[in-house]
Amino acid sequence: NAGVTQTPKFRVLKTGQSMTLLCAQDMNHEYMYWYRQDPGMGLRLIHYSVGEGTTAKGEVPDGYNVSRLKKQNFLLGLESAAPSQTSVYFCASSYLGQGNSPLHFGNGTRLTVT
Amino acid sequence: GENVGLHLPTLSVQEGDNSIINCAYSNSASDYFIWYKQESGKGPQFIIDIRSNMDKRQGQRVTVLLNKTVKHLSLQIAATQPGDSAVYFCAENIEGSNYKLTFGKGTLLTVNP
Repeated sequence: NAGVTQTPKFRVLKTGQSMTLLCAQDMNHEYMYWYRQDPGMGLRLIHYSVGEGTTAKGEVPDGYNVSRLKKQNFLLGLESAAPSQTSVYFCASSYLGQGNSPLHFGNGTRLTVT
Repeated sequence: GENVGLHLPTLSVQEGDNSIINCAYSNSASDYFIWYKQESGKGPQFIIDIRSNMDKRQGQRVTVLLNKTVKHLSLQIAATQPGDSAVYFCAENIEGSNYKLTFGKGTLLTVNP
């Protein structure tokens, strides 16, 4: 039981490049989330999904897109990376919504945009 | 992560002592609270949670206390060990919402052997 797995662990992009961050969970959770973590700030929600085929915007969605084609996978895309997107990105999943069950996090993707 | 600890409140304790980490939450409508532990280079790890209809909950070596009157949450760690060194942060969820979890910035706990 691996929990939540994120790939890649590290990535360096140049401004304007695109990439996709992959997240997989093996806990059969319905809910999945993408957060970013920046120094001096709490985790901020980018996008989330309440089930296969669904996505919704979180607090800071601009510049990102997501897809949930399979229940176990949640993909985060950056179409045209900007230096402001330099951050650590965490994927999480939960059995119920955030108001009823804790989130299980992956170990993050450290992204640098130059 | 490598930058998570910058500019955070810090707590330094001796191995074997008890630790108390505090969190002030902002919204009186919050009804679900969670404590997470984050070690350097890793993702947040769930420790313990509590609902607003309780004022205390215990786990293995950890206790969470909730004071709704002053909107204060604390995490007590008994017999602190070097492996407890990490950033700890609380999160609150507004009643009736499944997508409004707000995370605190965290406290860096350092355990001295």
